[in-house]
Amino acid sequence: DGGITQSPKYLFRKEGQNVTLSCEQNLNHDAMYWYRQDPGQGLRLIYYSQIVNDFQKGDIAEGYSVSREKKESFPLTVTSAQKNPTAFYLCASSISAGENQPQHFGDGTRLSIL
Amino acid sequence: GESVGLHLPTLSVQEGDNSIINCAYSNSASDYFIWYKQESGKGPQFIIDIRSNMDKRQGQRVTVLLNKTVKHLSLQIAATQPGDSAVYFCAERYGNNRLAFGKGNQVVVIP
Repeated sequence: DGGITQSPKYLFRKEGQNVTLSCEQNLNHDAMYWYRQDPGQGLRLIYYSQIVNDFQKGDIAEGYSVSREKKESFPLTVTSAQKNPTAFYLCASSISAGENQPQHFGDGTRLSIL
Repeated sequence: GESVGLHLPTLSVQEGDNSIINCAYSNSASDYFIWYKQESGKGPQFIIDIRSNMDKRQGQRVTVLLNKTVKHLSLQIAATQPGDSAVYFCAERYGNNRLAFGKGNQVVVIP
């Protein structure tokens, strides 16, 4: 089945630790996105990538980093500089960034602090 | 797990009735709009979209209405079913397919 796979579903981070969230898509989409969702809030954009080897900061990029070495993969690292990392993280992809196309989402990773 | 619907406006609807979910958007230059459905512990699921050159679009049991004059979007669900219970988000496109999301509305279907 084509889709977006996020792993792990649940992740725990210790103080001062970096953790990496995985996002893989087999939809052959050029554009990929990372969002953060907090209870009762809309989704907020962390980083996005329009094409392989390119990415841009979103609205809340501080304390996060990404890479886009392969078209199908867009991992997100939550660094120790992110002081409030507890949230539900959602990855999305779309056919391209420049057209009116919906973004399709994975089922998220819930990150908590130990 | 923690509900994405926490503290959201809630619409309670009887099974079989029609539901209307409203959304006000902020940018008059937005040219593309999407409705998503999110169930607890899952990612948002695409429902329907509409471009700004349209004022109405219909899908299976759903209709989206766009009023650009007052920057208002609505989602109508016909014959609401228990499986429609979820949080519903609207999103507006700006920039290179960047989306701005509303906070969402919780829909609770009463059997």
